[in-house]
Amino acid sequence: KAGVTQTPRYLIKTRGQQVTLSCSPISGHRSVSWYQQTPGQGLQFLFEYFSETQRNKGNFPGRFSGRQFSNSRSEMNVSTLELGDSALYLCASSRTDYGYTFGSGTRLTVV
Amino acid sequence: TQLLEQSPQFLSIQEGENLTVYCNSSSVFSSLQWYRQEPGEGPVLLVTVVTGGEVKKLKRLTFQFGDARKDSSLHITAAQPGDTGLYLCAGESGYALNFGKGTSLLVTP
Repeated sequence: KAGVTQTPRYLIKTRGQQVTLSCSPISGHRSVSWYQQTPGQGLQFLFEYFSETQRNKGNFPGRFSGRQFSNSRSEMNVSTLELGDSALYLCASSRTDYGYTFGSGTRLTVV
Repeated sequence: TQLLEQSPQFLSIQEGENLTVYCNSSSVFSSLQWYRQEPGEGPVLLVTVVTGGEVKKLKRLTFQFGDARKDSSLHITAAQPGDTGLYLCAGESGYALNFGKGTSLLVTP
């Protein structure tokens, strides 16, 4: 079966711009969560959605936002990009509380 | 934020050696998961442990969950070059995973 699909795989943006990343979960998975991975901080939780409702949010500024659609697909948006936002952004989907399937991520570079 | 500490941070061993990676926290988690990540890819789930004292085996990998559900270990027997990667432990709490910083393992032939 198809895994978690994230698009695009790579992205280069300029400081001050905004960006939207997309995630298609595994069919039947209603929970989608987002993580930011950097060499210094490791993997950090951004937010989680279930049936279009945000159930939890990590400690990130309001520039980071997300949403989930009725087909469980999710997007995250980062506005007013900063150099420190350069990271691998990972999406994960889950059907139960135990075990997540991650996508390959979107590598965002802010210049 | 509940912190998970992994040790060692880096490990370089030769093929055939055994190794153990540790994951410790001051907090209790509903479940603890182990993932392996290769460069440029997302983490891949290896195992989920839920019950205190639980031991799970996955071929040459043995996972233990501490009795108090605050710590875990991953033991690899007879490591192979294909085991090379970043091993991450993650505790589940409130629909979120709290990850350790990971153990970077290099197995050379």
